[in-house]
Amino acid sequence: DTGVSQNPRHKITKRGQNVTFRCDPISEHNRLYWYRQTLGQGPEFLTYFQNEAQLEKSRLLSDRFSAERPKGSFSTLEIQRTEQGDSAMYLCASSPNTGQVPWTNEKLFFGSGTQLSVL
Amino acid sequence: RKEVEQDPGPFNVPEGATVAFNCTYSNSASQSFFWYRQDCRKEPKLLMSVYSSGNEDGRFTAQLNRASQYISLLIRDSKLSDSATYLCVVNGGYEYNNNDMRFGAGTRLTVKP
Repeated sequence: DTGVSQNPRHKITKRGQNVTFRCDPISEHNRLYWYRQTLGQGPEFLTYFQNEAQLEKSRLLSDRFSAERPKGSFSTLEIQRTEQGDSAMYLCASSPNTGQVPWTNEKLFFGSGTQLSVL
Repeated sequence: RKEVEQDPGPFNVPEGATVAFNCTYSNSASQSFFWYRQDCRKEPKLLMSVYSSGNEDGRFTAQLNRASQYISLLIRDSKLSDSATYLCVVNGGYEYNNNDMRFGAGTRLTVKP
């Protein structure tokens, strides 16, 4: 399967614990995005990378959230000191976008997500 | 004001009906526009891009009005399999470092026999 892969599929944790999610994008894709989605809402932008560079981080994101893409391939999203409000589906997407105008390759390919439940 | 706004619906239509969804966006510098489809408990998948001149893909037609910062999706001859949530997506704008992708909350469609 050469699609976007996310692990784990489900994570149940207790409030205050740290959690880390992994995303493996489609191999030739330069851009990698993290989104968070709660029931009845659209995906909420968290952050994105162009290769290994983190280009933008949502200003709504607290300092408890951090993401890395150390070699421009897979990415990790870590949430420290989890809160019940962090419970959501965390979606990763990749795109072949090279940052060149026009943005004709901005199509996002999503993984199946990691469902986080904070008790 | 939200960056991307959609009518949440739900839209409940009979098979064969024509249905239209609207979306407005706040960033006048946005350059790229898309409609995604999301089935229940599944990830979003690209339905179609939206071009300035409008574009059609089978039963689906997308329109863009830059002056009004408005996007639409028209579905003709609705099928049961069209039941899903339709997400409007807009990019951040011109700047290389501001090219994130913002989603609307989605419009839910149910097509009934």
